[in-house]
Amino acid sequence: SYGLTQPPSVSVSPGQTASITCSGDKLGDKYACWYQQKPGQSPVMVIYQDSKRPSGIPERFSGSNSGNTATLTISGTQAMDEADYYCQAWDSGTVVFGGGTKLTVL
Amino acid sequence: EVQLLESGGALVQPGGSLRLSCAASGFTFSNYAMTWVRQAPGKGLEWVSAISGGGGRTYYADSVKGRFTISGDNSKNTLYLQMNSLRAEDTAVYYCAKDQATGTPRYGMDVWGQGTTVTVSS
Repeated sequence: SYGLTQPPSVSVSPGQTASITCSGDKLGDKYACWYQQKPGQSPVMVIYQDSKRPSGIPERFSGSNSGNTATLTISGTQAMDEADYYCQAWDSGTVVFGGGTKLTVL
Repeated sequence: EVQLLESGGALVQPGGSLRLSCAASGFTFSNYAMTWVRQAPGKGLEWVSAISGGGGRTYYADSVKGRFTISGDNSKNTLYLQMNSLRAEDTAVYYCAKDQATGTPRYGMDVWGQGTTVTVSS
């Protein structure tokens, strides 16, 4: 079955750029999206179709997808961005989630 | 306002059954693929099942195939998940989510409900 791999944790200083990767076989041939989840809350989509931002998502969130890796980039990271982030793709009749990355803003 | 409201979560014994509901409002329910996603305590998101817009096609994770059934009632704008032969490992918060796609759920889930808790324990 298809799998997506994310680093368990990423740390970033306030104001710096955070990058979270998501790896999967030929992931660049599929659409990748990203969700943010804060403790006790439902997930929120922050990127869809590799690089598009839903309405209401700040411009500091961006995405790319090529080869075997999709990347979520948060520019000028703020304390409010501290959360778990999940990548997701559709493959052969299944929705696949990555294991999630805990972003810590130190 | 686009909204999803899940209900039906409960404490159930192993081997029991439960039906979850997800009431949709603010969009044309039959036009979009819908998905159930669960999250066990302290764990990540796990996809459970999906249905294409209009309900023509259904999809299941291997972990629930043969035990869970997804369906939708377009007249009631409601998504369902019938869960049979429940196991302890099915314990989780269950979210319903609306996909951006009309057919297969391939574009990502832009609207999520607040979740409903299912606990399988004796």
